Amino acid sequence: EAGVAQSPRYKIIEKRQSVAFWCNPISGHATLYWYQQILGQGPKLLIQFQNNGVVDDSQLPKDRFSAERLKGVDSTLKIQPAKLEDSAVYLCASSFGGAGNTIYFGEGSWLTVV
Amino acid sequence: AQTVTQSQPEMSVQEAETVTLSCTYDTSESDYYLFWYKQPPSRQMILVIRQEAYKQQNATENRFSVNFQKAAKSFSLKISDSQLGDAAMYFCGMGTYKYIFGTGTRLKVLA
Repeated sequence: EAGVAQSPRYKIIEKRQSVAFWCNPISGHATLYWYQQILGQGPKLLIQFQNNGVVDDSQLPKDRFSAERLKGVDSTLKIQPAKLEDSAVYLCASSFGGAGNTIYFGEGSWLTVV
Repeated sequence: AQTVTQSQPEMSVQEAETVTLSCTYDTSESDYYLFWYKQPPSRQMILVIRQEAYKQQNATENRFSVNFQKAAKSFSLKISDSQLGDAAMYFCGMGTYKYIFGTGTRLKVLA
């Protein structure tokens, strides 16, 4: 079974530029999560989708971050314009359903903003 | 508000010994699940063990077990017979309508 796929794995951009990350969840998984993990910290939930609807985006900085999950399958997370403090690993995860289901993580997309 | 707190930034254990990682949580939801995830240096997080809050019996998974104290909102992870491959970051997580994690505990295993 294929795991959660993410791309690109690494990205270096200058501040004020834009970047987009892509995630393809495990086939059949209805719930998709985007987490931000700053070095040395725990993953912070940015947005959670159930199919193509948003369950929670309370910690998504909506002035610069956006995410979509068209057709309820793959998802894109965009940052525009990027700030230095956005340097982090962006983890995508998916689960078959909601709270009680095991979530499976991708390898992450490492962003460095200079 | 829902929170997960891990108060031990780093722990060390001798190979073959036992170590316990602490986690406390807070939620007003009656239906929730608790998890421990491991994140090796390669950064892909993998599930170690899970506990349904409605179950009184503590979950076990080979060398890994939990001590779930619902009234105290405590959920600790015990690793028995520690191995070098157990060295990693460990994150405590809670799933309600959303899925959140603590700040992590770095476990070092000493040969």
